[in-house]
Amino acid sequence: TQLLEQSPQFLSIQEGENLTVYCNSSSVFSSLQWYRQEPGEGPVLLVTVVTGGEVKKLKRLTFQFGDARKDSSLHITAAQPGDTGLYLCAGARVTGGGNKLTFGTGTQLKVEL
Amino acid sequence: EPEVTQTPSHQVTQMGQEVILRCVPISNHLYFYWYRQILGQKVEFLVSFYNNEISEKSEIFDDQFSVERPDGSNFTLKIRSTKLEDSAMYFCASSRDSNTEAFFGQGTRLTVV
Repeated sequence: TQLLEQSPQFLSIQEGENLTVYCNSSSVFSSLQWYRQEPGEGPVLLVTVVTGGEVKKLKRLTFQFGDARKDSSLHITAAQPGDTGLYLCAGARVTGGGNKLTFGTGTQLKVEL
Repeated sequence: EPEVTQTPSHQVTQMGQEVILRCVPISNHLYFYWYRQILGQKVEFLVSFYNNEISEKSEIFDDQFSVERPDGSNFTLKIRSTKLEDSAMYFCASSRDSNTEAFFGQGTRLTVV
């Protein structure tokens, strides 16, 4: 069974602070996706990282895929209240029938004024 | 922007009843998925579907579950005889190819009473 552990599980910070969320696994994935989920809604895709060592930036969010493609991190610079939400990493395993995702345990982020 | 749409947004059903959850995937996508999320838990893979057949299913997806693509646009999940433990958010997702990212619908909240 492939498992993805995220840390921290909960994070409460002040506006303007920086933070990093980690996503770790003992398994290798073909790619890793980061989603954000609001209460009662579906996960919304933020980014996909594919190549070991890859770094992608989305405004104030920086995503990195580990060299061995087993782990990833999400760094947010100068967090804002609008960044509040549940951040999920999901490892993808490609089979003939599609792109099966194994989701992480999630990081609940709260950014306060 | 194309999106995955799911209906209904909330379904309440009595234990033992059949329920059908409906999804309209993104129109040029070829791979379809169902995931579920029990309250407070991780998003879990149920099944993937390609070329009008199931390509992979998890151990959660037992004989009580079935999927169908009855026409060119809809993708349904049927639970034959619902149990209390089937209460969860059910998410439909689709991807264009087997190795491209999946986009999720808003989910159907199923409550079995």
